[in-house]
Amino acid sequence: ETGVTQSPTHLIKTRGQQVTLRCSSQSGHNTVSWYQQALGQGPQFIFQYYREEENGRGNFPPRFSGLQFPNYSSELNVNALELDDSALYLCASSSLGQGAGELFFGEGSRLTVL
Amino acid sequence: AQSVTQLDSQVPVFEEAPVELRCNYSSSVSVYLFWYVQYPNQGLQLLLKYLSGSTLVKGINGFEAEFNKSQTSFHLRKPSVHISDTAEYFCAVRPPHGSGNTGKLIFGQGTTLQVKP
Repeated sequence: ETGVTQSPTHLIKTRGQQVTLRCSSQSGHNTVSWYQQALGQGPQFIFQYYREEENGRGNFPPRFSGLQFPNYSSELNVNALELDDSALYLCASSSLGQGAGELFFGEGSRLTVL
Repeated sequence: AQSVTQLDSQVPVFEEAPVELRCNYSSSVSVYLFWYVQYPNQGLQLLLKYLSGSTLVKGINGFEAEFNKSQTSFHLRKPSVHISDTAEYFCAVRPPHGSGNTGKLIFGQGTTLQVKP
């Protein structure tokens, strides 16, 4: 059973650019959620995808968008990058309808915006 | 709306000593409660969870937590810590209902546990 994998692990962008982060969910999981973790803070929920549709969103602007593919992998896209977008982005997978839907996290993609 | 407060940002403790990391939550509805650990440069790993039933929950690596509904607390404890327990610990809550909430955890700010030899 493979765990949640994310890519890239580190990347550097400049203000105004766009970035795409990728996540492969754990085998058997059908739900993917994304979190932003700023330095020294707890993770904050960005959104969740189930059956290729967004079905839950946190307090993030529309320039944060995502996709989920038929194999349940997912992408997080951020447009018009701002300095405050520098953070660790965590992907978590779970299985809707099974128990409490325990989240399994990847190791994250660390984004630095200059 | 739910919120989580971790009362200590840093907890220094000597090896083999007991430790308690405090967590209080605020919610007008029942919630599920979780503790996660994050080692440097890694993602989050689930230590334990409270869904219902017994208020004392046992997790991995010798950790346990007690759910106290009247005090809205979910403190994490370990009777004897090891150097390898040095990490960041996060308390989190999740509403139990609604499909859109499945992946939505509300985290506290985190507590850094520093175990000294």
